Amino acid sequence: AQTVTQSQPEMSVQEAETVTLSCTYDTSESNYYLFWYKQPPSRQMILVIRQEAYKQQNATENRFSVNFQKAAKSFSLKISDSQLGDTAMYFCAFMKPYGGSQGNLIFGKGTKLSVKP
Amino acid sequence: KAGVTQTPRYLIKTRGQQVTLSCSPISGHRSVSWYQQTPGQGLQFLFEYFSETQRNKGNFPGRFSGRQFSNSRSEMNVSTLELGDSALYLCASSSSGTGVNEAFFGQGTRLTVV
Repeated sequence: AQTVTQSQPEMSVQEAETVTLSCTYDTSESNYYLFWYKQPPSRQMILVIRQEAYKQQNATENRFSVNFQKAAKSFSLKISDSQLGDTAMYFCAFMKPYGGSQGNLIFGKGTKLSVKP
Repeated sequence: KAGVTQTPRYLIKTRGQQVTLSCSPISGHRSVSWYQQTPGQGLQFLFEYFSETQRNKGNFPGRFSGRQFSNSRSEMNVSTLELGDSALYLCASSSSGTGVNEAFFGQGTRLTVV
């Protein structure tokens, strides 16, 4: 069975600085997808970034980028130029794809990120 | 385009009762998944429905069930409620098609069992 581990329950960062959230996972699959989701106090989960395991290039979305190390089964999220609106719970998630749809995400326990002014 | 809508937002039930939660996906989305979120267990996958058929199921007891209607709206039912069922229940919808499509989440239903 796949597992996802986020070893940092809480982190804080000053506004405009850079922070990195860690995630490791365990799987015997060769093809899979990894995601970072953000859950602000409003509770709505929002996709931040995704990475396909077969792609060696690290995904980037504006201020968000990942460091994907397939052999080490590591998938960290870097947030540059942190903003107050980045304050939220961040979840790392794994999915083994099937049928063309996102049916079964396996989530880590989350990291609570606080951005301080 | 309207997002994923979950109703009700908050619910208080008594042990032993049953409850039905509703999820309306984004228009055109045919896949609906349900997740339970608790402080202790985190986010856990309940089940996924696609074109009115349950396509995948997590490791939850039979008291948890769901269904999907022809318009892709989905309901989740929990019978014989236990205190441990208190949680935030999240619904996510995604479109069909090739590849892996983004899951869009609703704001959840906060269920409290007393």
